[in-house]
Amino acid sequence: GDSVTQMEGPVTLSEEAFLTINCTYTATGYPSLFWYVQYPGEGLQLLLKATKADDKGSNKGFEATYRKETTSFHLEKGSVQVSDSAVYFCALTMNRDDKIIFGKGTRLHILP
Amino acid sequence: EPEVTQTPSHQVTQMGQEVILRCVPISNHLYFYWYRQILGQKVEFLVSFYNNEISEKSEIFDDQFSVERPDGSNFTLKIRSTKLEDSAMYFCASILAEHEQYFGPGTRLTVT
Repeated sequence: GDSVTQMEGPVTLSEEAFLTINCTYTATGYPSLFWYVQYPGEGLQLLLKATKADDKGSNKGFEATYRKETTSFHLEKGSVQVSDSAVYFCALTMNRDDKIIFGKGTRLHILP
Repeated sequence: EPEVTQTPSHQVTQMGQEVILRCVPISNHLYFYWYRQILGQKVEFLVSFYNNEISEKSEIFDDQFSVERPDGSNFTLKIRSTKLEDSAMYFCASILAEHEQYFGPGTRLTVT
């Protein structure tokens, strides 16, 4: 079935470091792809999305590009901040009204 | 900004007891979902609900689970006889057709 695989955490970086969190997907069709973020003690917030191949989603300095040829949607940020410490989930949905399939999440710690 | 709300934020119950988790989706949304997240694990789809009926459910959503939209505003998840392994964070989500899902802050269920 459809699935999402993302890199294991935790990931620990110093403030202002470059971040990459890898995500690949398996899907029978052409999914929409998402990154969700979960700050400590909070619910899930949509960080960014891309709905078709070569789309780039961006928000709050984070970016991810939908790569159909490598079935990937890696999350990047050029300079992380302590406030970026959270759990990041890569996810997909096959149709906009359909269930969301999540990866296992990657915990990110940013050290000051 | 409209938001999905969930009550209670934390529910403690004894094994075998019934629990009802409540959600108030965004008012003009049409599709409703429940997900759960066992501590430290990925977010898993439970059930989707549209036009007053279940549109899809996962294998997790067995006969112990039921959903209801009793009054046009609330969307509830009932677990008839809770088990220890039902301990998790339960997230409600809603969507206006063709748009992304909005998640509530979650209810932490602890079964003792």
